[in-house]
Order: sequence, then C-alpha cells, then structure tokens
Amino acid sequence: EVQLVESGGHLVQPGGSLRLSCAASGFTFRMYSMHWVREAPGKGLEYLSVITHNGRSTNYAASVKGRFTISRDNSNNTLFLQMGSLRPEDTAVYYCARSNNGYFDSWGQGTLVTVSS
Amino acid sequence: DIQMTQSPSSLTASVEDRVTITCRASQDIRNDVGWYQQKPGTAPKRLIYASSTLDSGVPSRFSGSGSGTQFIFTITSLQPEDFATYYCVQHNTYPWTFGQGTKVEIK
Repeated sequence: EVQLVESGGHLVQPGGSLRLSCAASGFTFRMYSMHWVREAPGKGLEYLSVITHNGRSTNYAASVKGRFTISRDNSNNTLFLQMGSLRPEDTAVYYCARSNNGYFDSWGQGTLVTVSS
Repeated sequence: DIQMTQSPSSLTASVEDRVTITCRASQDIRNDVGWYQQKPGTAPKRLIYASSTLDSGVPSRFSGSGSGTQFIFTITSLQPEDFATYYCVQHNTYPWTFGQGTKVEIK
C-alpha cells in the first residue's frame, strides 16, 4: 500500500525557515516524480513544486520560486520542502503527492504550517 | 503559468440533481485535465484523468469531457456522499495549476 507521511509543520515567525519532510513507503520511491501542494485556511488547493524521479529537474509556482526548495533522498525514500522567508500567507496545510503517468495518484495526510508572530 | 478558471465557486443542490462544473484554461492544454474531489480535513482524491477517463472504482454518475481550453465535469445524480469540493487541475505544463474549486453543498 502506498503511504506518504508528511512531518515538520509547526508555528514559525514571519521571515523564518522550515523544512518539511514526506516519508514514502509501499512503492519504489526513486521511480516517481513527487510534488508539494498546499491548502491555506478557507482557500483552495495551490500547486507548489515538482521534482523528477532522479532529482535532476525541479519546477516551482511563482508564489514560492526563490523562497522554497524541493529535494529528495532516494536512498531514504524521503521528499523535502525547504521553506524560507516565510510569510503569513504561507500558512497552510502542506501535502506531498505522487504522480504516475502525468497525474496525481497518491497523497499524504498533510502537515500544518503556521506563520505568525 | 497556465490559469484554470473554474466555475461556479459554489453551488447548492439536492440529492439526485444533475451538477455541472466548468473549467477554462488560459491556453490549449489538449486533454491534460484531472478532476479531484476533496472532503473537509482529508486529502484530495482523483476521480477523472485525461479529461474523461474515470478512475477505477469511481461511480459512473461522474463524468468529464472537453479538450483544448474548455472542460466540463458532471455528476448526473448527486448522492449524499458527493457533497464536497471539486477541483480541476491542468497537467499539461509545469507548474501544474488548480482551478479555484467548486464547493457542492446540500440544499
């Protein structure tokens, strides 16, 4: 069974940094592109970033480009999102997701990041 | 980035009603659209991919159509378990982008 478990979300001050992790199990992690998506309170889903299966290519939404960095450790089946220069509007539940054949097919349960002083 | 304009943002309907949601892409995205259902406090679930292909186990009352820039999602006979928020997503070009979502509520 595919499992994605996010962690690392907590309260952080504006301007601060945070690293989220997504532990993957139940599939061959190194074969799949992985993504981050977030859901701000009372708002819709927002696509953030993708990393290819081998980590060689990444892409970001304009809202986080230059502030967030996606990476992965295929030896430890873990996806990361390094977040910097955090703003109150980055407050959200952050989901990791797997894609297969060009579409999301599995999601984690999400981890809450709160940016507030 | 490609914009996905989804409408309506919310709707109120009764059980057994027909529901239609539309998404318009800011440029031609072929049929590279998925439709996802999200219930409060849970992760999204894919219902349809490639604009019109129903995922395994998804009831046939759900359907999708369209190509290019116009896409339609339909629930032919709304059931109590269908009350949720629905999103279109363009999977044509990175960064992928979501529509604004449609919250389907009970009348």
